[in-house]
Amino acid sequence: AQKVTQAQTEISVVEKEDVTLDCVYETRDTTYYLFWYKQPPSGELVFLIRRNSFDEQNEISGRYSWNFQKSTSSFNFTITASQVVDSAVYFCALTLASGTYKYIFGTGTRLKVLA
Amino acid sequence: DSGVTQTPKHLITATGQRVTLRCSPRSGDLSVYWYQQSLDQGLQFLIQYYNGEERAKGNILERFSAQQFPDLHSELNLSSLELGDSALYFCASSPLKDRVGTGELFFGEGSRLTVL
Repeated sequence: AQKVTQAQTEISVVEKEDVTLDCVYETRDTTYYLFWYKQPPSGELVFLIRRNSFDEQNEISGRYSWNFQKSTSSFNFTITASQVVDSAVYFCALTLASGTYKYIFGTGTRLKVLA
Repeated sequence: DSGVTQTPKHLITATGQRVTLRCSPRSGDLSVYWYQQSLDQGLQFLIQYYNGEERAKGNILERFSAQQFPDLHSELNLSSLELGDSALYFCASSPLKDRVGTGELFFGEGSRLTVL
């Protein structure tokens, strides 16, 4: 069975601090896709990134970066120089390339960035 | 704006009642997914449709049912409502090119259901 674990329930940081959100996944499949979504206080879910299991290159997009490590089954998300607008719940998700079509979400990490 | 439309945005009803939540996917997306998010909980997958056919089922209660119509909009029916059904219900669609469901999901703004 597939599983996504986000062990950090809530993180508080002061503005301009760097913060890393952890995501650990479980699957026996060799082809899968990992995602990060942001859910701001307004409630909608916003797609941030998709990564397939064959691409272990780290990715940077502005202040956001993602570290994918198959060896540890982790797909961590770092926000550099955090801002108050980054305050949100962040979800990591997993889907397989075959079969179930289900997207499995972690329980989310609530990030609070304090001014 | 994700392009996914959900109605109603808010709904308050009483226990034992039945409600219908509606979702219009993005233009061209054939897959529709329904998720439930209870207070301070993660997203629980309910059900997925692809081009009118049920493709995957998650932790969907027997009191709940869904369908996808020929115009691709979908409805989630919740009946015999209980207090614990109060939640945010999300609909999401995924791009046509990802037939096997590996593309990103585009979420609607959700329908917040309150059962009193």
